[in-house]
Amino acid sequence: SQELEQSPQSLIVQEGKNLTINCTSSKTLYGLYWYKQKYGEGLIFLMMLQKGGEEKSHEKITAKLDEKKQQSSLHITASQPSHAGIYLCGADMIKETSGSRLTFGEGTQLTVNP
Amino acid sequence: NAGVTQTPKFQVLKTGQSMTLQCAQDMNHEYMSWYRQDPGMGLRLIHYSVGAGITDQGEVPNGYNVSRSTTEDFPLRLLSAAPSQTSVYFCASSYRSTSGGPGTQYFGPGTRLTVL
Repeated sequence: SQELEQSPQSLIVQEGKNLTINCTSSKTLYGLYWYKQKYGEGLIFLMMLQKGGEEKSHEKITAKLDEKKQQSSLHITASQPSHAGIYLCGADMIKETSGSRLTFGEGTQLTVNP
Repeated sequence: NAGVTQTPKFQVLKTGQSMTLQCAQDMNHEYMSWYRQDPGMGLRLIHYSVGAGITDQGEVPNGYNVSRSTTEDFPLRLLSAAPSQTSVYFCASSYRSTSGGPGTQYFGPGTRLTVL
């Protein structure tokens, strides 16, 4: 959806390198979700951010939501081949719908070369 | 908990045929949604439900019907399949958090549909 823009569309990195994926909206994001998808499989929930300035980490993945709640970034430290896949950001852009109507970015295809 | 389950995993239809994609969740979630995923288009919302007996249209509802007679089940019906409906379909469910804000949306494994 053009309401939520993800960049870059694809990313190829060498194992051990750090990388960042961005998700940007012109509207306020009431909930921002990061998912990972392996080709041909379902979506795996990574993290959810709600509050402006919020930051969450899990293992080597850190996600942040800016103070204005219009941009989020996903940062992977010391990437590994297991990090490869498609990363999707999804956002709740309507406050009342509480996660039932997510708008998604087009995804970022991440390749990690050994 | 099985989480969100979808059947079938794969389906091939001929143009004009009808079928129902099944979705069930055992987490007692209020909210359930159907998305389709197409190359270059990302995930797009088809229909959603905020509780049993309540459904509403999403971004791309044409050609699809839904109903929600129980909290657990949210089937998606294709009344007359068209090649444009070839896609991967995901069902998802979520809860309302105690703070009233969004809850995490959990996705099923998907149904890969081809319409010839």
